[in-house]
Order: sequence, then structure tokens, then C-alpha cells
Amino acid sequence: GENVEQHPSTLSVQEGDSAVIKCTYSDSASNYFPWYKQELGKRPQLIIDIRSNVGEKKDQRIAVTLNKTAKHFSLHITETQPEDSAVYFCAARNFGNEKLTFGTGTRLTIIP
Amino acid sequence: DTGVSQDPRHKITKRGQNVTFRCDPISEHNRLYWYRQTLGQGPEFLTYFQNEAQLEKSRLLSDRFSAERPKGSFSTLEIQRTEQGDSAMYLCASSPPYVVGETQYFGPGTRLLVL
Repeated sequence: GENVEQHPSTLSVQEGDSAVIKCTYSDSASNYFPWYKQELGKRPQLIIDIRSNVGEKKDQRIAVTLNKTAKHFSLHITETQPEDSAVYFCAARNFGNEKLTFGTGTRLTIIP
Repeated sequence: DTGVSQDPRHKITKRGQNVTFRCDPISEHNRLYWYRQTLGQGPEFLTYFQNEAQLEKSRLLSDRFSAERPKGSFSTLEIQRTEQGDSAMYLCASSPPYVVGETQYFGPGTRLLVL
């Protein structure tokens, strides 16, 4: 089955700097890659997603890039703010399969 | 709040007892998922419903676990003869029909502690 690896597990960034989180997946049939943000004690919330027919997607300060050949995708947050502090999860889903396979998460801390 | 709702939010039980959790998806969402999340890990898929049909089950879903969605709306997840290893956050998610989109929207979860 699908396996998703996520790095780093923790990341501290000075406020205003950029943060990058990377994920790799194993199944070349995967075609949908969402990113979720989870604050302490709260539900995972989708922040951005990308499909395999697109190489990059951007939404204000957040962007995701996908390299299908290398089977990896990355989350980029620019101009980080204290409210960006949370745990971020990447996930992958295979074509024809409903389940999301999640990475192990990255705890992002923004230092004021 | 028109998001996914789950009840109860917290449950403490003794080993060997049965527990049941409820999930109410977003209105008009025909797809419903259950995931389990342990501390420091990402959610792990348990099972999936399209309308009332349970179409996919993980190997994680032992025979002590059963899920239903009898009328294609709310769903229940029952754990029989709970074990300490069942302690986790149980998350429910829902998605609209494919013609609308594929994003899975998560509920707040039910945190289970088995003593």
C-alpha cells in the first residue's frame, strides 16, 4: 500500500521567514495530495491541495509543489506569522481509492 | 456550525466495556470516513461509506470494531471489549459527491481513553 514520509518532524522559524515541509510517497498511482493544519486539540483543516496534473499551486502565503517523477511534494509558507504555529500533515490518495494516507506530521513553531 | 460534528467529544471507559461514537457529516455529503489518530501520528484510515454502503475497510479495523451508516446520513462506530491500545482520537470526515469536489472535511474527533 501507499507509504508517505514527512520531514522534518519539528521546525522552528523566525517570524517573517519562510518554512518548507517535504513529503515523499511510494505509490506512483497517487493523484491527489492535500495538506492539513491541526492546532492543538482541534480538527485537521485543509489548507491547500494539489492534483497530479498540476506542478504547483499557490494560495496567498501558501504554495505546494509536486514532482511526480521523484514522487515528492512540498509545502511552502512565506512571511510566517505566529498563527501559523501548528502541526502540519501531508497526505496522498490513489486514483480509484478513497482513503487518505497521512504523513507523521511536522510541528511548526514560529518564533516572534 | 454546519461542519462535521461528532459525539461525544471525550469518552473514558474501562477495559472490556463497549463504546459507541456518532458522526454527523456535512449536509449533502454522501461520502463518510473514519480515521484513528494516536498521539504524535497522522490520522490512519479505518473505513469508508458511500451513502449507506461500507465500501472500504482497513486491516486496522479488527472484528471488535463495527461501523454503520444505516440511512446514508449519520454514522456510528462501535468498539466492543475495549483494550488499552484502543485509546486514541477517532476522527470522522465527509466529502461531497465527486462532481462537487473531493476534499475530506474533518470533525473535531472523539478522544477515547481506555483504563
